[in-house]
Amino acid sequence: SQQGEEDPQALSIQEGENATMNCSYKTSINNLQWYRQNSGRGLVHLILIRSNEREKHSGRLRVTLDTSKKSSSLLITASRAADTASYFCATAHGNNRLAFGKGNQVVVIP
Amino acid sequence: GAVVSQHPSWVICKSGTSVKIECRSLDFQATTMFWYRQFPKQSLMLMATSNEGSKATYEQGVEKDKFLINHASLTLSTLTVTSAHPEDSSFYICSARDGGGVGTDTQYFGPGTRLTVL
Repeated sequence: SQQGEEDPQALSIQEGENATMNCSYKTSINNLQWYRQNSGRGLVHLILIRSNEREKHSGRLRVTLDTSKKSSSLLITASRAADTASYFCATAHGNNRLAFGKGNQVVVIP
Repeated sequence: GAVVSQHPSWVICKSGTSVKIECRSLDFQATTMFWYRQFPKQSLMLMATSNEGSKATYEQGVEKDKFLINHASLTLSTLTVTSAHPEDSSFYICSARDGGGVGTDTQYFGPGTRLTVL
């Protein structure tokens, strides 16, 4: 069963604004990863945060992880039209299997 | 680095035929590859884990005789959809895990294969 659940599922923002997405999960994890998917394409790995980390940055991306609440957030700062995509969180469990959440559709309006 | 390719990118076939999809890691050795399917506007669902030189491990509810997986080398895994039916139409995505490089927890995804069964 899918472990990750993102909220909200659809987000429409103006270019330059920040976009925040949340993800919750139910069981203990080894790490949590965020991916981006453009329509009809494969997934692009964005960032991985390990269970012993609380915050991680990569360019305009900021990810937090709260293992006590079993939740994570992805913040995209200064959004661009090219950031329009679906964003998925995935939790890593035993045997390197990933469980994906439902995904967030983000539309950045130029 | 860490590029995964899939072939074909799309395929249309008649009901009852079999379709083979290839997944290749181009610049690293992948001891483990994963196969997912994705329905429109939905998330990815893990179908099976493919280990080089051994049998694939299928997720609950996935028919192993329907979806044949072969991982013959460290850079190639294939998924064969046997006797395809319209309900098998989906977007199939593979991923590969770097067996020994930096960031071995990361899975690298292929671009996906769109299967349409008429």
